[in-house]
Amino acid sequence: GDSVTQMEGPVTLSEEAFLTINCTYTATGYPSLFWYVQYPGEGLQLLLKATKADDKGSNKGFEATYRKETTSFHLEKGSVQVSDSAVYFCASSNTGFQKLVFGTGTRLLVSP
Amino acid sequence: AAGVIQSPRHLIKEKRETATLKCYPIPRHDTVYWYQQGPGQDPQFLISFYEKMQSDKGSIPDRFSAQQFSDYHSELNMSSLELGDSALYFCASSTRDGYYNEQFFGPGTRLTVL
Repeated sequence: GDSVTQMEGPVTLSEEAFLTINCTYTATGYPSLFWYVQYPGEGLQLLLKATKADDKGSNKGFEATYRKETTSFHLEKGSVQVSDSAVYFCASSNTGFQKLVFGTGTRLLVSP
Repeated sequence: AAGVIQSPRHLIKEKRETATLKCYPIPRHDTVYWYQQGPGQDPQFLISFYEKMQSDKGSIPDRFSAQQFSDYHSELNMSSLELGDSALYFCASSTRDGYYNEQFFGPGTRLTVL
């Protein structure tokens, strides 16, 4: 079945450091890919998305590019802030409005 | 903008009791999904509905049932609760008007089974 694998955390960075959280997927067909963020005690918020190969999703300084050749959707940010501390989930969804399949989540801790 | 509403936000039950979780999707959204997130875990898909019909089923125990009503709100009914059912339950909604499946999540219901 479809699956998403993302790097284990926690990822601990200092403010203004560069962030990369790796995500790879396996899927039948051509899924849409998403990054969701979960702040402590809150629900899941969509951070960015990409629906086809070579699409780049971006939001709030975060970026991720849909790489079909490497089945990857790595999340990057050039300069993290303390307020970015959260758990980040990579997810995929096949066409046909099917369920989201999530990775295990990566906790990001940013210190001042 | 209107968001997905879930009630209650917190629920405490004893083992073997029943619980009902409610979800009110974003207006004009026709599809509802339920997910269960255990402590420190990723969300796991339980069940989904499109136009009041079950559209997909995941790892939902037989003790659980769900339905979507004519006003598109959905309820997740959980019976014979077990300690392992303690989790955060998310509802998400989407519309099939779009090209891709962007799901909007509610704040979740935290269920604690004692």
